[in-house]
Amino acid sequence: GQQVMQIPQYQHVQEGEDFTTYCNSSTTLSNIQWYKQRPGGHPVFLIQLVKSGEVKKQKRLTFQFGEAKKNSSLHITATQTTDVGTYFCAAMSAGGTSYGKLTFGQGTILTVHP
Amino acid sequence: NAGVTQTPKFQVLKTGQSMTLQCAQDMNHEYMSWYRQDPGMGLRLIHYSVGAGITDQGEVPNGYNVSRSTTEDFPLRLLSAAPSQTSVYFCASSGQRYNEQFFGPGTRLTVL
Repeated sequence: GQQVMQIPQYQHVQEGEDFTTYCNSSTTLSNIQWYKQRPGGHPVFLIQLVKSGEVKKQKRLTFQFGEAKKNSSLHITATQTTDVGTYFCAAMSAGGTSYGKLTFGQGTILTVHP
Repeated sequence: NAGVTQTPKFQVLKTGQSMTLQCAQDMNHEYMSWYRQDPGMGLRLIHYSVGAGITDQGEVPNGYNVSRSTTEDFPLRLLSAAPSQTSVYFCASSGQRYNEQFFGPGTRLTVL
């Protein structure tokens, strides 16, 4: 089945530093979603990317979808303690996959030291 | 709207016991899914449904059953609990194919 690799698994930063997590697939994706999960909480949708080369911004967060639609990244500028949590990408294959078969990456656990 | 609700929040079972995890949504979403979350493995799809009366298997369906008799409810049944099923279980719903998923608060299950 489809596999989505997400790196790094862990990232420790000082408050104010930047942070990036990457998501890679061996197959072409129809879309990719990003979620954030606070410690002890549930995943919360952040954004969806659909178009090749798409870039979207939400305040300090920048999301990119690769030109080949096989990779994506989430970049946080000047991290804050409120950014702590696990960031997941979730991808749906372009190869006729029916709904529900979103494949989640393993997640990147972000720790921010004040 | 309550969104997606799950019960119970915590459950401890003995090996071999059966139980049902409840999931309900009040957003009239057609699509519902069950995931399990284990450390370092992200979220893995167990079963999903594209509408009432229709269910299908996900990535890790063994040991679990589902049914979808109404749009609102999507229970997950553990037939004979095993320690390998110790996990956090999340139910999610979505209004349209490819749309964002709304997750419930989760059920933390321990099987002894």
